[in-house]
Amino acid sequence: DGGITQSPKYLFRKEGQNVTLSCEQNLNHDAMYWYRQDPGQGLRLIYYSQIVNDFQKGDIAEGYSVSREKKESFPLTVTSAQKNPTAFYLCATLGHRSNQPQHFGDGTRLSIL
Amino acid sequence: ILNVEQSPQSLHVQEGDSTNFTCSFPSSNFYALHWYRWETAKSPEALFVMTLNGDEKKKGRISATLNTKEGYSYLYIKGSQPEDSATYLCAFYMNRDDKIIFGKGTRLHILP
Repeated sequence: DGGITQSPKYLFRKEGQNVTLSCEQNLNHDAMYWYRQDPGQGLRLIYYSQIVNDFQKGDIAEGYSVSREKKESFPLTVTSAQKNPTAFYLCATLGHRSNQPQHFGDGTRLSIL
Repeated sequence: ILNVEQSPQSLHVQEGDSTNFTCSFPSSNFYALHWYRWETAKSPEALFVMTLNGDEKKKGRISATLNTKEGYSYLYIKGSQPEDSATYLCAFYMNRDDKIIFGKGTRLHILP
């Protein structure tokens, strides 16, 4: 099945630890996105990538890092600099620009131990 | 930071009644406006992609309109059903570098 796979579904982070959230897609979409959802906040854009080896900061990039070495993969690292990482993280892709919506993964819920 | 506003934040509607809510977005650098339905424990599901001023789209009992000059879109639900209970998100797609910004959503509760 074509789609977006996020893993793990649940993740726990210890103080001072970096953790990486995986996002893999087989839709052959060029653009990929990471969003964070907190209660009452909707989806806030962390990072996005239009093409391999290129990415841009979204509105809340501080404390996060990404890479885009392959078209299929856009991992998000939550670093120890992110002081409030507890949230639900959604990965999305976008195909051809016009007339197409985003496709979303099932999300990863990150909590602090 | 671009501002995409949705109102109301939360809405309770009696089953069978019709309802509507609003998405406001910057009127400059417009490329597209997306509407999504997000049910608990699921991924957001696309409802509409709207690109032209004056666009009206319909999917069953749900429809949407778009005014790019004044920067707003309305989503209408006719004859609400329990399965319509969800969060409805709008997303503003800038005419620039594929940046897509979401509003905070409207949480719709259908009362039996």
